[in-house]
Amino acid sequence: GAGVSQSPSNKVTEKGKDVELRCDPISGHTALYWYRQSLGQGLEFLIYFQGNSAPDKSGLPSDRFSAERTGGSVSTLTIQRTQQEDSAVYLCATSAGINEQYFGPGTRLTVT
Amino acid sequence: RKEVEQDPGPFNVPEGATVAFNCTYSNSASQSFFWYRQDCRKEPKLLMSVYSSGNEDGRFTAQLNRASQYISLLIRDSKLSDSATYLCVVNRGDSSYKLIFGSGTRLLVRP
Repeated sequence: GAGVSQSPSNKVTEKGKDVELRCDPISGHTALYWYRQSLGQGLEFLIYFQGNSAPDKSGLPSDRFSAERTGGSVSTLTIQRTQQEDSAVYLCATSAGINEQYFGPGTRLTVT
Repeated sequence: RKEVEQDPGPFNVPEGATVAFNCTYSNSASQSFFWYRQDCRKEPKLLMSVYSSGNEDGRFTAQLNRASQYISLLIRDSKLSDSATYLCVVNRGDSSYKLIFGSGTRLLVRP
């Protein structure tokens, strides 16, 4: 079946602009996670959704970052007023409960 | 102390070698354990789950030691294609579905 998909695959934006990153989960996966990974670094947890609610937003780096999920399906991560330090790969993962997570291919964000 | 700790490596081994990675975790309430593999500039992919009794999948064997809170991954007969970063992953052991990812151990298999 179809895996997790993310769009765009690459995004280059100017400092100060807003960006939206999209994640389409595996059908039926109720849990959805956003991570960030800088070059050569480990995964940094951002936010977790269970259905449409976000019980844990503890990893969002600042109030410029927000995310929503609608219909228990698609999620959007929004970064406002992007900064150069926001450049990274943004990964989405989904799971069916307390089981293993499956990752999308990521969105590579470059802020110039 | 990090919740999941791994030796970053790199482990540089010849083809055909056997190599083992260990990982320690801090939360004794953790119940689910996994090894993921991440190739350069790619997303992490599930390699195998780790069960209490230990489990094997072809050339890969995973072990769990709850008393000492460590997990191991053994790769036998290493292939060039095994070169990647191996991530040790545990769950939080609470009501959340969050997984905690180690920073990874890098493996380089040389001809």
